[in-house]
Amino acid sequence: DAGVIQSPRHEVTEMGQEVTLRCKPISGHDYLFWYRQTMMRGLELLIYFNNNVPIDDSGMPEDRFSAKMPNASFSTLKIQPSEPRDSAVYFCASRFSGRAYNEQFFGPGTRLTVL
Amino acid sequence: AQSVAQPEDQVNVAEGNPLTVKCTYSVSGNPYLFWYVQYPNRGLQFLLKYITGDNLVKGSYGFEAEFNKSQTSFHLKKPSALGSDSALYFCAVMGRRALTFGSGTRLQVQ
Repeated sequence: DAGVIQSPRHEVTEMGQEVTLRCKPISGHDYLFWYRQTMMRGLELLIYFNNNVPIDDSGMPEDRFSAKMPNASFSTLKIQPSEPRDSAVYFCASRFSGRAYNEQFFGPGTRLTVL
Repeated sequence: AQSVAQPEDQVNVAEGNPLTVKCTYSVSGNPYLFWYVQYPNRGLQFLLKYITGDNLVKGSYGFEAEFNKSQTSFHLKKPSALGSDSALYFCAVMGRRALTFGSGTRLQVQ
């Protein structure tokens, strides 16, 4: 398996623009997670899905952020409009729910820079 | 709610010396505990986990972790540090369905 795939790996955009980050989880995994990593705040869980349904979005910073999972093999995280404080590395992770202690597998991340 | 704490932002150790990266946890019920490593410009990689049973858990790259229920700790250890071990290490605890991560500890092997 290729692991969790994220695109793009790097994104540079200007304030006010829409940004869409993409994730393909590992095949067969039924949980998908979006995290954000910054120096100031560390690793934050933004939202997670189970069987394509959003379960907990309490970590989403504000209404400018939205996430979707239209099918088991694809998810997007959208920021509209983007702001400089959104600059961070965004990680997608997935896991299989067969055991409560199954580990999460992380993608390589998308480094977002908002100018 | 579950949580983990990593009290050290950075740990420095000489190559060849043993290393310890500390983690304490707070959780109701039996904990499922994890260690992940992050190399520069990479995603987090799973190292090891504690589920139940033996308090000493062995993982990837020669790392091991010791679970101590009375001290609510899950410290990461390695008998002999390598330069390639320099990275950011995260402790995590499984909640209802998602991992909660600590703030991370940067390990610098000199």
